[in-house]
Amino acid sequence: SNVLTQPPSVSVAPGKTARITCGENNIGSKSVHWYQQKPGQAPVLVIYYDSDRPSGIPERFSGSNSENTATLTISRVEAGDEADYYCQVWDRSSDHVVFGGGTKLTVL
Amino acid sequence: EVQLVQSGAEVKKPGESLKISCKASGYNFPDYWIGWVRQMPGKGLEWMGVIYPGDSDTRYSPSFQGQVTISADKSINTAYLQWHSLKASDTAMYYCGRPQGSGYQVDYWGHGTLVTVSS
Repeated sequence: SNVLTQPPSVSVAPGKTARITCGENNIGSKSVHWYQQKPGQAPVLVIYYDSDRPSGIPERFSGSNSENTATLTISRVEAGDEADYYCQVWDRSSDHVVFGGGTKLTVL
Repeated sequence: EVQLVQSGAEVKKPGESLKISCKASGYNFPDYWIGWVRQMPGKGLEWMGVIYPGDSDTRYSPSFQGQVTISADKSINTAYLQWHSLKASDTAMYYCGRPQGSGYQVDYWGHGTLVTVSS
């Protein structure tokens, strides 16, 4: 079964760069999507197919995926980026969708 | 504009049944999968399963197989999530979402339905 490993928390100062990882054996062979969820709100898709951005998502959000780790990078972090972030994959072999455990991003 | 509007919050007792809904608009409902996601209090997102309203093809995540029933009525553009006998551990926020593409990314989400199960 899929186990997508995310760090429980990441802290970053405003204006700096935050990197949130999502680990799984050979995740580089799958498409990874990322969601932002603020308290009391539904998730929002911020990156899909590893590195594509939906319309309306700032260019500060970017993604990469290689070998055993996918990474969501948020540049020039703002206070409004404080949220929980989840990675997600679809495992073609099992036909199952799996979320990572989530990472709480704190802006110092 | 694509919208997914979910039914309101529910308070139920253990052993009771429940069916919550997700009404879609702004797109051709039969042509897109609809999925359900659970979020227990203070916890992460869990994929429950999906349905393709066009032919009612339904797929459940292993953890939820046999625990819930996902259905859809394409005549009224509505998907459902149903329990026959609720447990206290079913207390959670439930989101519907529209996964699409070869990667099942969810581009539209409902606002969520809070289900509270307590004696």
